[in-house]
Amino acid sequence: DIQVAQSPSSLSASVGDRVTITCRASQSISNYLNWYHQKPGTAPKLLIYGASSLQSGVPSRFTGSGSGTDFTLTISGLQPEDFATYFCQQSYNTPRTFGQGTKVEIK
Amino acid sequence: QVQLQESGPGLVKPSQTLSLTCTVSGGSISSGGYYWSWIRQHPGKGLEYIGYIYHSGSTYYNPSLKSRVTMSVDTSKNEFSLSLSSMTAADTAVYYCARDGGHTTAFDYWGQGTLVTVSP
Repeated sequence: DIQVAQSPSSLSASVGDRVTITCRASQSISNYLNWYHQKPGTAPKLLIYGASSLQSGVPSRFTGSGSGTDFTLTISGLQPEDFATYFCQQSYNTPRTFGQGTKVEIK
Repeated sequence: QVQLQESGPGLVKPSQTLSLTCTVSGGSISSGGYYWSWIRQHPGKGLEYIGYIYHSGSTYYNPSLKSRVTMSVDTSKNEFSLSLSSMTAADTAVYYCARDGGHTTAFDYWGQGTLVTVSP
């Protein structure tokens, strides 16, 4: 299985801050890396697919970058609705695997 | 707008078999191009991929659960199902169905999730 290591596991930030979350895959996955966020009691929601493509309807303050093994999700100008847990996921092969999650909390 | 909805028991006894169904609306499973998937999330934990079924009936199961998993699809009802046998407390989780594939190669639509508790 491809392991996906996500960091940090949690962070505190203020509204308006720029936030960066990283994922590192255990082998090259080209650009087959997706990002989701999840609010308590709800299903994950797709934000970024293919490492850098913004899913329809997702605000442009979310950007993804990277290829190969190292990937980054950046939120530029954190909004109150962005406080959630973020997951990365590789879709290079099966079994699909997820990062452990990053909880973004209010400072 | 594609929507997915899980249904099934919220409580299962140890050693029993869990059966869940995911009903798809706003899109046809028969149209192909997508992997209809199951994912679970243990309380307060990360996401675990269970596997998928294609509209043709071909399946992939995560090796970690393969011996206990069976998936099926009913294109006439536009739904797909998960069976997980020999349930234990370690299988207590929120179970999600989701759509994988297409141009995003990601899980782009999810059900709202259903909590399954394993308890005597």
